[in-house]
Amino acid sequence: IAGITQAPTSQILAAGRRMTLRCTQDMRHNAMYWYRQDLGLGLRLIHYSNTAGTTGKGEVPDGYSVSRANTDDFPLTLASAVPSQTSVYFCASRQGAEAFFGQGTRLTVV
Amino acid sequence: AQSVSQHNHHVILSEAASLELGCNYSYGGTVNLFWYVQYPGQHLQLLLKYFSGDPLVKGIKGFEAEFIKSKFSFNLRKPSVQWSDTAEYFCAVKARDTGRRALTFGSGTRLQVQP
Repeated sequence: IAGITQAPTSQILAAGRRMTLRCTQDMRHNAMYWYRQDLGLGLRLIHYSNTAGTTGKGEVPDGYSVSRANTDDFPLTLASAVPSQTSVYFCASRQGAEAFFGQGTRLTVV
Repeated sequence: AQSVSQHNHHVILSEAASLELGCNYSYGGTVNLFWYVQYPGQHLQLLLKYFSGDPLVKGIKGFEAEFIKSKFSFNLRKPSVQWSDTAEYFCAVKARDTGRRALTFGSGTRLQVQP
């Protein structure tokens, strides 16, 4: 089934450690996004990529970086995790105006 | 920049009750509007969307939403909810006439349907 695959599905991470959340899509969508979901705050955009080779900052980019070496992959890296980065992370891609979401990664930073 | 407000944070209904969830956005230009649903433990799924034309749009599972441009609103409705509608609902907006291509989401409304 075509769609977006995120890995891992959940992770407990020690503060200060580096972590990369993986996101792969097989729909050949140009645009991809990373959101974090926090209770009472909805989804907030971390970073985005309109096409392979380009990235941009969203609403809450601090502490995160992304790369877009090809169309399919859009990894999100936490260089040095902090407890405030405990959240559920969703990767999405966009076709036209409609966004498609992955299953999410639940990250706990302790 | 656009923003989205969902005024109902937590709604509890009995089965067969009618549902209306409020959504207001702030943006003066042309928008695309969406409602997404997130069932417990799952990812977001599209319920319905408005791009243009008839302001009353029908989505999956009996949901509908009405775009009222003068009120900057896009409220979600369902005449008779079921226990299986228990989920979190997110309204989202995308400005059509800017370079910003990502969706902006509201904070979500948690719907709990009691059998």
